Amino acid sequence: NAGVTQTPKFRILKIGQSMTLQCAQDMNHNYMYWYRQDPGMGLKLIYYSVGAGITDKGEVPNGYNVSRSTTEDFPLRLELAAPSQTSVYFCASTPTAERLYGYTFGSGTRLTVV
Amino acid sequence: DQQVKQNSPSLSVQEGRISILNCDYTNSMFDYFLWYKKYPAEGPTFLISISSIKDKNEDGRFTVFLNKSAKHLSLHIVPSQPGDSAVYFCAASSGNTGKLIFGQGTTLQVKP
Repeated sequence: NAGVTQTPKFRILKIGQSMTLQCAQDMNHNYMYWYRQDPGMGLKLIYYSVGAGITDKGEVPNGYNVSRSTTEDFPLRLELAAPSQTSVYFCASTPTAERLYGYTFGSGTRLTVV
Repeated sequence: DQQVKQNSPSLSVQEGRISILNCDYTNSMFDYFLWYKKYPAEGPTFLISISSIKDKNEDGRFTVFLNKSAKHLSLHIVPSQPGDSAVYFCAASSGNTGKLIFGQGTTLQVKP
């Protein structure tokens, strides 16, 4: 039972570089989400997807892009990294929009932009 | 404009006693509320939820209370155990996309 797998676990980027944070789930969940957590703050929604081929913006989408070509994968792309994108990124999934049962989260990617 | 607030950054209790974590919200359209627990270097894990049509939900040592008139919910942990030491996030949701809005978190320390 792999659940939600995020790679890499840690990454240091230089300002202006780009990278893709990978997220994969093996539970056949339709709904997937990307959140970021800044120190002392709650999680803020970046992007989400309700199924393959369907994505939409969350609270803080600027500087990020996503795609959802398969049910399993939901990569998050950072273009032109900025220090403000230093954060811990969490991917999550859930089978339906039924909110009583919560998400399954990955273990996170800690990103530092210098 | 923070729609979900946890005003206590930290809480310390003795093992065996009750832990009470609080959460306030501003949006009356929220219809589900959830609590998550997070250990360092791990992702959050779902703990317990409540629908807005209820005022209490219980699961073992964990009980969530919802006071809609006050726009307030609380998580009670009885009895508290050292393994409960973690960051607790409350979250709220409305609509049919499953999106959650999280509070800032409260760090609970349970002392042996």
